[in-house]
Amino acid sequence: QSALTQPASVSGSPGQSITISCTGTSSDVGGYNYVSWYQQHPGKAPKLMIYDVSNRPSGVSNRFSGSKSGNTASLTISGLQAEDEADYYCSSYTSSSTLYVVFGGGTKLTVL
Amino acid sequence: QVQLQESGPGLVKPSQTLSLTCTVSGGSISSGGYYWSWIRQHPGKGLEWIGYIYYSGSTYYNPSLKSRVTISVDTSKNQFSLKLSSVTAADTAVYYCARGGGIAARPYWFDPWGQGTLVTVSS
Repeated sequence: QSALTQPASVSGSPGQSITISCTGTSSDVGGYNYVSWYQQHPGKAPKLMIYDVSNRPSGVSNRFSGSKSGNTASLTISGLQAEDEADYYCSSYTSSSTLYVVFGGGTKLTVL
Repeated sequence: QVQLQESGPGLVKPSQTLSLTCTVSGGSISSGGYYWSWIRQHPGKGLEWIGYIYYSGSTYYNPSLKSRVTISVDTSKNQFSLKLSSVTAADTAVYYCARGGGIAARPYWFDPWGQGTLVTVSS
């Protein structure tokens, strides 16, 4: 069981927008603006898409955006493209006294 | 740009020690500021953080693996390594090395990642 909760799957048609949620607690997502998102295509390593809730690393499409409200962070992909079909994971800073790093369980995005 | 590459045996026998090395190129581990991490992914499952090492040698491990994990660094070779002892089939996974960034000795973002290496535990 992952520390952060994500939906198992989401889907959308090309051109549409989708949002993936990542729910934690006040000890992680809700307490800090330190949420990151990763995209993972089958057989490939994860790729950082968003950091610090809403910042995009250089080279990441502006179709990807992040936000946060309370204990839930969200990744929005606009203008959905076939190449966006992948697994997406969130991660957050945590003040847990034991576990220094927390990930979400991952969300499979299907482009219909 | 910084690149990471894992290396090591793809097959380990039960009860033995899994050993992997991550070679960093395009940047120096000794420059500081990052948490050089190991993360694994069981087949078809999510990501599990194993632990990290700082250039100074400071380490922190996932409590669920702490008794079996050792991460070390060789700054002269710009490499860091993972040893996981007493492995079982449950340790079969793709193992990634990654550069972690964060605050207060707690990484919360990882970039870049190595390509990953599948380690199978089987006799």
